[in-house]
Amino acid sequence: DAKTTQPPSMDCAEGRAANLPCNHSTISGNEYVYWYRQIHSQGPQYIIHGLKNNETNEMASLIITEDRKSSTLILPHATLRDTAVYYCIVSMRSSGSARQLTFGSGTQLTVLP
Amino acid sequence: NAGVMQNPRHLVRRRGQEARLRCSPMKGHSHVYWYRQLPEEGLKFMVYLQKENIIDESGMPKERFSAEFPKEGPSILRIQQVVRGDSAAYFCASGLGRGGFYEQYFGPGTRLTVT
Repeated sequence: DAKTTQPPSMDCAEGRAANLPCNHSTISGNEYVYWYRQIHSQGPQYIIHGLKNNETNEMASLIITEDRKSSTLILPHATLRDTAVYYCIVSMRSSGSARQLTFGSGTQLTVLP
Repeated sequence: NAGVMQNPRHLVRRRGQEARLRCSPMKGHSHVYWYRQLPEEGLKFMVYLQKENIIDESGMPKERFSAEFPKEGPSILRIQQVVRGDSAAYFCASGLGRGGFYEQYFGPGTRLTVT
């Protein structure tokens, strides 16, 4: 699986958009970008995933650059409850068995009142 | 639809005792993953199971650790003769495992403390 690089920490004002970057310059053509988050002491929570097109769901938007070497997770209106460690994970999708997730260090997002 | 359930939520064991951690996947999910999170560290994959089969145990320590997912009942992660270094949060996740989607749904974790 491709290695990812994320800033260790970021702050965001409550109500503003939080933009979390991720570099994955060695990503291959059949690898997806996944985002999870872990609110303190809880189990990780799936947020969103994408291959090359931008994706949006009720939680967030995922913007993937055209060369796929980086992506940005956008929380459009951050709240205090969005304070968490955010993990960007690149993993291959296969037609066979699902694979485990490889978590890096992630980005600690702190939403400030 | 109930989420992934883990019990106990907190477990205290003395050195040398056995720890049994249980995980019930989400309804309809037949794939279970176990991860360990040491204090101040990220999650590390341990083992991936389907019903009655271990698919990938590349992250499991070679000794004292075992896992199963029987045809009936929860998945069990078993740690024999626990040591202080086993103190960690153990998370279970479940997924459909079909079509290659890797959305995994995590339980609340079991916090193991070895005294």
